[in-house]
Amino acid sequence: QKEVEQNSGPLSVPEGAIASLNCTYSDRGSQSFFWYRQYSGKSPELIMFIYSNGDKEDGRFTAQLNKASQYVSLLIRDSQPSDSATYLCAVNNAGNMLTFGGGTRLMVKP
Amino acid sequence: GAVVSQHPSRVICKSGTSVKIECRSLDFQATTMFWYRQFPKQSLMLMATSNEGSKATYEQGVEKDKFLINHASLTLSTLTVTSAHPEDSSFYICSASGEGATGANVLTFGAGSRLTVL
Repeated sequence: QKEVEQNSGPLSVPEGAIASLNCTYSDRGSQSFFWYRQYSGKSPELIMFIYSNGDKEDGRFTAQLNKASQYVSLLIRDSQPSDSATYLCAVNNAGNMLTFGGGTRLMVKP
Repeated sequence: GAVVSQHPSRVICKSGTSVKIECRSLDFQATTMFWYRQFPKQSLMLMATSNEGSKATYEQGVEKDKFLINHASLTLSTLTVTSAHPEDSSFYICSASGEGATGANVLTFGAGSRLTVL
């Protein structure tokens, strides 16, 4: 079983819709959770991080964390074609070492 | 915010030669840097953890004699791919831990280096 799992997609949503990206992790001791966006041929860039159960909002992005169920999600409201990318979920286990999921490819269609 | 500079961004070399990639933390000191490799359409794979002033810690399956890592200062780590072969062609990305805009300790990535071995 992989430590961090994501549906590879592609997830296709129409422009203006809400995109919902999900991630599950296996280590119950994980403390911090990150969402990175990676455009093709580029390195990942941090979108959001979350430490506490519940929701954390930043602009059009909302991260949701449920430690009891061991999942973290990312909602993108009013999706734009420029949001089309691969979204990587990462979990911090210890010593700032991140374990990445395989990524979900999001396609926002105009 | 934390900025990590990585270069070269692209390098093409002949089989059997060695290639050095540099990773610098520009506005913070990074005691730990990480090196990842990413093959097309695959996720990031951690290669090694680079600690300033000590030997790097390599992940299982990564040849330490082939991928030489040096972290001589708090702002610079280098990855040298020795005797490169076509199967080493990949996207190599470094990252470092630094204080983000919110004060939280987050990992920031360099722009990546695309290595093509002919």
